[in-house]
Amino acid sequence: ILNVEQSPQSLHVQEGDSTNFTCSFPSSNFYALHWYRWETAKSPEALFVMTLNGDEKKKGRISATLNTKEGYSYLYIKGSQPEDSATYLCALNAGNNRKLIWGLGTSLAVNP
Amino acid sequence: DAGITQSPRYKITETGRQVTLMCHQTWSHSYMFWYRQDLGHGLRLIYYSAAADITDKGEVPDGYVVSRSKTENFPLTLESATRSQTSVYFCASSGDTYEQYFGPGTRLTVT
Repeated sequence: ILNVEQSPQSLHVQEGDSTNFTCSFPSSNFYALHWYRWETAKSPEALFVMTLNGDEKKKGRISATLNTKEGYSYLYIKGSQPEDSATYLCALNAGNNRKLIWGLGTSLAVNP
Repeated sequence: DAGITQSPRYKITETGRQVTLMCHQTWSHSYMFWYRQDLGHGLRLIYYSAAADITDKGEVPDGYVVSRSKTENFPLTLESATRSQTSVYFCASSGDTYEQYFGPGTRLTVT
């Protein structure tokens, strides 16, 4: 059974703090790694899809890196804002079949 | 409207009844998915479809039936609803890129 682990489970930061989360996955089963943002009472929204070792992607203040050899990805948020409060999910494509194996997410709360 | 929609958004049904949750997307995405979201479990895949008339089981398919006669629709049927199927159900679709685009969800309560 393939597992995707995310840490920490939850995080509280002050507005303006920079923060990062970790997603760990079995390095032997890798096709693509996804990050999604899920705000309360809404639906998950895709942030990044990464496929290559060493990939680094950025969208505004949010960026992500990927290490497929050691089986981890980091998501960074620079200068957190209250609107960044959400659950951040990572998910693994373990094969070329579009099925995703989801982590349980990191819940971020940014206090103004 | 373009996008992915689900109906109904909220449903209360009784144990033993059949209920169908609808999902419709306007992007002509090949792939469609049904997930359920429960506290402590995150998103779990029920069924997915790679194209019209092609469906396959996910992680938790028991008690559910799907069909995909048209690319844009992917209904999920609970043949005989049980209390354990009380959940929030999300439909998603995926096209040429690997991102999945999620519908707004259906909150189902089985009494």
